[in-house]
Amino acid sequence: ETGVTQSPTHLIKTRGQQVTLRCSSQSGHNTVSWYQQALGQGPQFIFQYYREEENGRGNFPPRFSGLQFPNYSSELNVNALELDDSALYLCASRTGGGRHNEQFFGPGTRLTVL
Amino acid sequence: AQSVTQPDIHITVSEGASLELRCNYSYGATPYLFWYVQSPGQGLQLLLKYFSGDTLVQGIKGFEAEFKRSQSSFNLRKPSVHWSDAAEYFCAVGGGGSQGNLIFGKGTKLSVKP
Repeated sequence: ETGVTQSPTHLIKTRGQQVTLRCSSQSGHNTVSWYQQALGQGPQFIFQYYREEENGRGNFPPRFSGLQFPNYSSELNVNALELDDSALYLCASRTGGGRHNEQFFGPGTRLTVL
Repeated sequence: AQSVTQPDIHITVSEGASLELRCNYSYGATPYLFWYVQSPGQGLQLLLKYFSGDTLVQGIKGFEAEFKRSQSSFNLRKPSVHWSDAAEYFCAVGGGGSQGNLIFGKGTKLSVKP
């Protein structure tokens, strides 16, 4: 069974640019969540996709957007990058939409904005 | 508002000594509680979870946690720490509704002395 994978591992961008991060969910999982983990902080919920629809969002501006594809893989897009967007971006997948189902995390993408 | 507090930013224990990591939560309803561990360069791994029932929960790697509703706490314990336990530990509460998003504390970094 393949776990959650994310690409790329590391990424360096400059302010104002746009970035796309990718996540392949664990086999059989139809729900994907994205989290932002700033240095020295716990992960913060960005949004969740369930069966290709966004069904939950944290306190992040609209320049953070996403997609989920029919195979349940997902993308996180961030437009107009700011310095504060530098962080580890974690993807997590699980089955169903219920809040008690275990979330399985990928290793993350480290984004640096200069 | 829902929140998680981990009062200790950094804890150092000797190998073989016991460990207790503190976690306090604020949540209006019955909480779903989790402990995750994050090693450098790794994603988050679930140690244990509490949904209902027995308030003492057993997890992987010899960890356990006790849910105390009266104290709004969910402290993580291990009777004898191994050097490989050095990592960052995050307590989380399951968000409301059907979204299943997690609200994390800021984490406690555990160092283990030989």
